[in-house]
Amino acid sequence: NAGVTQTPKFQVLKTGQSMTLQCAQDMNHEYMSWYRQDPGMGLRLIHYSVGAGITDQGEVPNGYNVSRSTTEDFPLRLLSAAPSQTSVYFCASSYRRQNTGELFFGEGSRLTVL
Amino acid sequence: AQKVTQAQTEISVVEKEDVTLDCVYETRDTTYYLFWYKQPPSGELVFLIRRNSFDEQNEISGRYSWNFQKSTSSFNFTITASQVVDSAVYFCALSVRHPTDSWGKLQFGAGTQVVVTP
Repeated sequence: NAGVTQTPKFQVLKTGQSMTLQCAQDMNHEYMSWYRQDPGMGLRLIHYSVGAGITDQGEVPNGYNVSRSTTEDFPLRLLSAAPSQTSVYFCASSYRRQNTGELFFGEGSRLTVL
Repeated sequence: AQKVTQAQTEISVVEKEDVTLDCVYETRDTTYYLFWYKQPPSGELVFLIRRNSFDEQNEISGRYSWNFQKSTSSFNFTITASQVVDSAVYFCALSVRHPTDSWGKLQFGAGTQVVVTP
């Protein structure tokens, strides 16, 4: 049972570089989302998707792009990395209709922008 | 706008002591959901509990218990007889509107670090 898989787990970028954080889930969840975790600020929602072809912005979307071409994948793109994007990124998924409301999180991706 | 406040940044206890984590939330919606997640040192996020705004019954699960009080907009979490394995960061979170479209749109608190020493 893979669950939610994020790659890479660690990445160091230079300012201005671009990269994509990959997220894949094998639970057939409709809902997928990206959060960033910063010290003292909890987790903040970047982008989310309620199904293939549908995405929307969260609380802190600037500097990030997403797309959802399949149910399984929800990549997060940084087009021009900035030091302010140094953070731990979590991908999460869930069924749109589920009794517990549980979000299934990936293990996180630690990004450092120099 | 929604807001979740976890005023306690860090709580240190000795094993077997009880520890209570405070969570205060703000929302104008009458339908909302509250959550607690645990983040152990390994970094993953583990779902602990979800409560809806219409159910104020307290809940107990083993050594964990939750006290939901709408009158004070609080959803506190108590660990009874703490153990070293309880050392983690605990997050309280809030979701509003219909859950089928908003469960992923959680508003998290800043988290409380719990340190349990032997």
